Amino acid sequence: GAVVSQHPSWVICKSGTSVKIECRSLDFQATTMFWYRQFPKQSLMLMATSNEGSKATYEQGVEKDKFLINHASLTLSTLTVTSAHPEDSSFYICSAPSGHSYEQYFGPGTRLTVT
Amino acid sequence: AQSVSQHNHHVILSEAASLELGCNYSYGGTVNLFWYVQYPGQHLQLLLKYFSGDPLVKGIKGFEAEFIKSKFSFNLRKPSVQWSDTAEYFCAVNARGGNKLTFGTGTQLKVEL
Repeated sequence: GAVVSQHPSWVICKSGTSVKIECRSLDFQATTMFWYRQFPKQSLMLMATSNEGSKATYEQGVEKDKFLINHASLTLSTLTVTSAHPEDSSFYICSAPSGHSYEQYFGPGTRLTVT
Repeated sequence: AQSVSQHNHHVILSEAASLELGCNYSYGGTVNLFWYVQYPGQHLQLLLKYFSGDPLVKGIKGFEAEFIKSKFSFNLRKPSVQWSDTAEYFCAVNARGGNKLTFGTGTQLKVEL
């Protein structure tokens, strides 16, 4: 089946710094990828839709200047958390739909801790 | 906008017990429905999906779900759970023709030996 990877799997950074998270589709191309945020004991909240060759589409309430998304190629999307604060600490997950089945494949997630 | 409700937040069962997890959605149009599972320390995996046709769908590991359109429900069932089914289960929906998924709050299932 289709595989999506994320790097890094976990990262600790200091408040005020920026962190980049990569999401790759390993064996398929994805013109669209999705970024989610998952708080402990809670569900996945869609943050934004990453579109190859165009700007990302952000969900209501998500700061586009804080969460920068770049869909660099058909297999890579990056999420950069800029000027991170402790409240940005969370589990970030990406997904990509494969083909026309509307089925999405999820990455393993990235645990971000901001100190 | 669509929304998804999962009413059981924590479920504890003994091995061999039957399982039913509730999922209700709210959306005015046609939807695709999914159940995902997240085992401890692992990424989300698709259990089963409904797009159209037979409202009773069978997934992996003996799970099944029934789409009841009149009740806007898509409950997940398994006749006999195993200890290895301990995981978090998420119901999700997207609008037919779209890719954006809306997730329910999840149900933490613990199966005791």
